[in-house]
Amino acid sequence: AQKITQTQPGMFVQEKEAVTLDCTYDTSDPSYGLFWYKQPSSGEMIFLIYQGSYDQQNATEGRYSLNFQKARKSANLVISASQLGDSAMYFCAMREGPGGYQKVTFGTGTKLQVIP
Amino acid sequence: DADVTQTPRNRITKTGKRIMLECSQTKGHDRMYWYRQDPGLGLRLIYYSFDVKDINKGEISDGYSVSRQAQAKFSLSLESAIPNQTALYFCATSASLGAGGQRTKEETQYFGPGTRLLVL
Repeated sequence: AQKITQTQPGMFVQEKEAVTLDCTYDTSDPSYGLFWYKQPSSGEMIFLIYQGSYDQQNATEGRYSLNFQKARKSANLVISASQLGDSAMYFCAMREGPGGYQKVTFGTGTKLQVIP
Repeated sequence: DADVTQTPRNRITKTGKRIMLECSQTKGHDRMYWYRQDPGLGLRLIYYSFDVKDINKGEISDGYSVSRQAQAKFSLSLESAIPNQTALYFCATSASLGAGGQRTKEETQYFGPGTRLLVL
């Protein structure tokens, strides 16, 4: 089974609108971390937001928020007020395991295109 | 200045050649990683290192070797490059976890800018 599933290979959003990028995960570990990264066409991987499995509140970082629904094992990224510079690939990732090396698994990504 | 740097940024080589990709970081992190990215496959871990004396294979280590020369430097070598090693390579770093392995944002991995490698 896939550890991280991103079901939207590509999405379009109108500039200034909000958009939600879906991510579901699979783990039996009660302790895990969830991450979102942005990869623009230039190629670098930019960290956006983090959610720990025990965090009581959904994470927010500026225009980015993480809609964390633990029971459903989903960690959707919400981008408010989209900008042209938000056009990029977005990767969801999960880190699990109690100690030592903790494997990080990445999803296959969602390509977001912001339309003027 | 970037916290995690990679050299070279782009490289074209021929089948059978040995090449080295270098990574340096100024974040003061103990942990360093090498990933490769292929279209449609996301990122896959090649090697990881928790400190200078602790190096471990990832899920796709065959055909690669690494060297942790110092806390801040982690190099990836392709002993004899082959065309299916054409990919985008990333170095990443992260801090050690807190006592008891508690989960915090500090476990985040931070990536270098990537090296685009083409093996002909």
